[in-house]
Parts: sequence; structure tokens; C-alpha cells
Amino acid sequence: GENVEQHPSTLSVQEGDSAVIKCTYSDSASNYFPWYKQELGKRPQLIIDIRSNVGEKKDQRIAVTLNKTAKHFSLHITETQPEDSAVYFCAPPNGGGNKLTFGTGTQLKVEL
Amino acid sequence: DTAVSQTPKYLVTQMGNDKSIKCEQNLGHDTMYWYKQDSKKFLKIMFSYNNKELIINETVPNRFSPKSPDKAHLNLHINSLELGDSAVYFCASSQGQGPYGSFFGQGTRLTVV
Repeated sequence: GENVEQHPSTLSVQEGDSAVIKCTYSDSASNYFPWYKQELGKRPQLIIDIRSNVGEKKDQRIAVTLNKTAKHFSLHITETQPEDSAVYFCAPPNGGGNKLTFGTGTQLKVEL
Repeated sequence: DTAVSQTPKYLVTQMGNDKSIKCEQNLGHDTMYWYKQDSKKFLKIMFSYNNKELIINETVPNRFSPKSPDKAHLNLHINSLELGDSAVYFCASSQGQGPYGSFFGQGTRLTVV
């Protein structure tokens, strides 16, 4: 099955700084790379995703980059704000493409 | 209108009881899922249904039984509840057969005492 690792597990940045979270997966057949944000007590919310035929995608302050050869993809958040504080999960599907395999999560804290 | 709604939001029950969690989606999606999030925030899929047909059944105890009366509803029934069942259970749905763009409900926090 898919083995998914996220680094770092916790990340603390100053407001306005950038944050980068990396996700490494094992299944080379994975073709979809989403990132979810989960605020305390709330549901996981899809914030950005990318397909395997695209190397990078940007949406305002967030971006995802994909390196299929190395089997990792990263979430980039620029100009961080306190409301970016949350747990972020990568969730590449298994090779069969019928289920998401969640990473272990990264607790991001944006300090004033 | 809530896209994926779960009821109840909180559930506290004693060991050995049987309980159900309901999920409804109004997105017109074809596939629905149940995920379990444990105390360490780890999210793991339990079941998925596509147009009322069971697609995924992970290694979940037989005490857990999903039921999908139609493609907009996926309920989870749990028999003989155990302390280890305490967790947050999330329902989700997606368009088509794959999990692309999965949308999650607000979760049901189950506490077994």
C-alpha cells in the first residue's frame, strides 16, 4: 500500500514568513496530489491539489510543487497569517486511485 | 446549505451499546466515504461506496457496518461499542469514482465511556 510521510511534523513561523511542508509517497502510480487544512475542531478542507501532468500550481498565497521522479510534493504558503495556523495533511491516493492516503499531518503555528 | 452533513455532531455512549451516525450530501456526488481520525489526528479511510455499491472495506472490525440507501446517504452503524472506538468520524464525498476533490463533513466526535 501507499506509504506517506510528511515533514516537518510541527512548524512555527513568524507572521509574514513563508512555510514549506513536504510530503513523500511511495506509490509511483499516484497521479493526484492534494493538500488539506484542518483547523482545530473542524473538518479537513481541500486547499489546493495538482495532477501528475503539472509540476506546479499556485492559488494566491499557496502553491503546490510536484517532483514525480523523487516522489514528493510540497505545500508552500507565503506571507503567512495567524489564520493559517492549522494542521495540514497531504493525501495522495493509492495507485488504484480509489482512496486518499493521508500523511501524518503538520501542525503549523503562525506567531505574531 | 451544508454540502456534507453528519448527525449527530457529538455522541457519548457506554461500552456495549449500538449506535449509528448518519451522513447526507447534496453535492450530487457519486462516491461517499467514512474516515476515522484518532486522538493523534491520524486520518484513515474505513469504507467507500459508489452509487450505493461498496467499493472499499478496509480492515475494520465487523462491528462496523455501513449502509447506503441511496447515493446521497451513507450511514455508519456500530455494534457493541468499545473504548477504542472513541474517535472523530468523518464522512466525505467526491464526484466520479475517484477521491479527487473529496469534500468532508464536519465530523462526529464519538466518546465511549
